[in-house]
Amino acid sequence: GEKVEQHESTLSVREGDSAVINCTYTDTASSYFPWYKQEAGKSLHFVIDIRSNVDRKQSQRLIVLLDKKAKRFSLHITATQPEDSAIYFCAASSYAQGLTFGLGTRVSVFP
Amino acid sequence: DTTVKQNPRYKLARVGKPVNLICSQTMNHDTMYWYQKKPNQAPKLLLFYYDKILNREADTFEKFQSSRPNNSFCSLYIGSAGLEYSAMYLCASSAGTEGRLFFGHGTKLSVL
Repeated sequence: GEKVEQHESTLSVREGDSAVINCTYTDTASSYFPWYKQEAGKSLHFVIDIRSNVDRKQSQRLIVLLDKKAKRFSLHITATQPEDSAIYFCAASSYAQGLTFGLGTRVSVFP
Repeated sequence: DTTVKQNPRYKLARVGKPVNLICSQTMNHDTMYWYQKKPNQAPKLLLFYYDKILNREADTFEKFQSSRPNNSFCSLYIGSAGLEYSAMYLCASSAGTEGRLFFGHGTKLSVL
């Protein structure tokens, strides 16, 4: 089955700088790559996704890049703000399969 | 605010006893999922329903059962709890199997 590796377990960034989280996957059939955020005391909620027919997607300060050849995708949080502090999970799935998640990256934004 | 509800929020169970967890959603989603989350581990997919069709992961096939009596409700059943079942159980729903997941707050199960 699919395996997703999330490379950074923690990230500490200064407010206003960018944070980058990298993930790799193993199944070449995977075609859907979402990201979820978990704030303290709350459950996971969706932030952005990318499908295999594109290699870049942006939603406000979030950018997702996908490199299918390398089986790698990444989340870029630009102009970080204190409310970006959370645990971020990457995930991957192929058609009609459930999501396989990474271990999560704890992002801390300091002033 | 979440429109995926899980009950109870916390559950205590004895080793060897059955456990039943409940999830409901009000978004008329056709797909509902159960994930197991342990500290410092990735959320692990246990099973999911697409409409009335149950898909169970191969490595947890015999450990968990589920039912979906209608579109809104889904349960997760453990026939005989072991210590290794202690975890957070997350329910989620989506429109289709490739859509955004909406998660509930989870049920924290402690097996003693």
